[in-house]
Amino acid sequence: DIVMTQSPLSLPVTPGEPASISCRSSQSLLHGSTYNFLNWFLQKPGQSPQLLIYLASNRASGVPDRFSGSGSGTDFTLKISRVEAEDIGVYYCMQSLQLPLTFGGGTKVEIK
Amino acid sequence: QVQFVQSGAEVREPGASVKVSCKSSGYSSTTWLVDWVRQAPGQRPEWMGQITIGNGDTKYSQNVQGRVTITRDTSANTAYMELSSLRSEDTAVYFCARRNPTNNAMDVWGQGTTVTVSS
Repeated sequence: DIVMTQSPLSLPVTPGEPASISCRSSQSLLHGSTYNFLNWFLQKPGQSPQLLIYLASNRASGVPDRFSGSGSGTDFTLKISRVEAEDIGVYYCMQSLQLPLTFGGGTKVEIK
Repeated sequence: QVQFVQSGAEVREPGASVKVSCKSSGYSSTTWLVDWVRQAPGQRPEWMGQITIGNGDTKYSQNVQGRVTITRDTSANTAYMELSSLRSEDTAVYFCARRNPTNNAMDVWGQGTTVTVSS
């Protein structure tokens, strides 16, 4: 199974400031030299996960452009250009290259 | 608007079975997949298995293989996940989610169903 490792575990943020979360996979997620099968989700308290980014850098429908994803192979980053209060929750990365699909341990973003 | 609505919370004794439903609306493509993902309290989500809506093909995680069965009823736009021989470690919120086979992204999720296993 592909192991997904996120850092940091917890991220206190100040509204209006940028934030960054890292995700590393135990195997390359690059397929066909083109697509990285890496997804980012935000799970707000008491809710289902919601898709933010797919294929490492594509924003899902309706996701604000302050969210961006980058990286390739085994190292990926989610960036929030200016954090807003509604962005708090737990962020998960997930690989969808091969079964079983696996998730990172999560990064809890909270307001300072 | 695409929506997935799941059945309500369940409480079962150890050794029993539970069947959770996931009804979709707002889309009709048969090439899509439906995944089942569970999340124990304070834990990361865990993928359990998938079904291809069109042909009913299924694949399961080895962690629950032999105890989980995923089915679908295309006439009712509903997918089902049945888990048997329940144990306390199966206590979790169970989610269904739609996955696009082109980009392998889970873009629509159900609201979750809490399953509690307790004697």
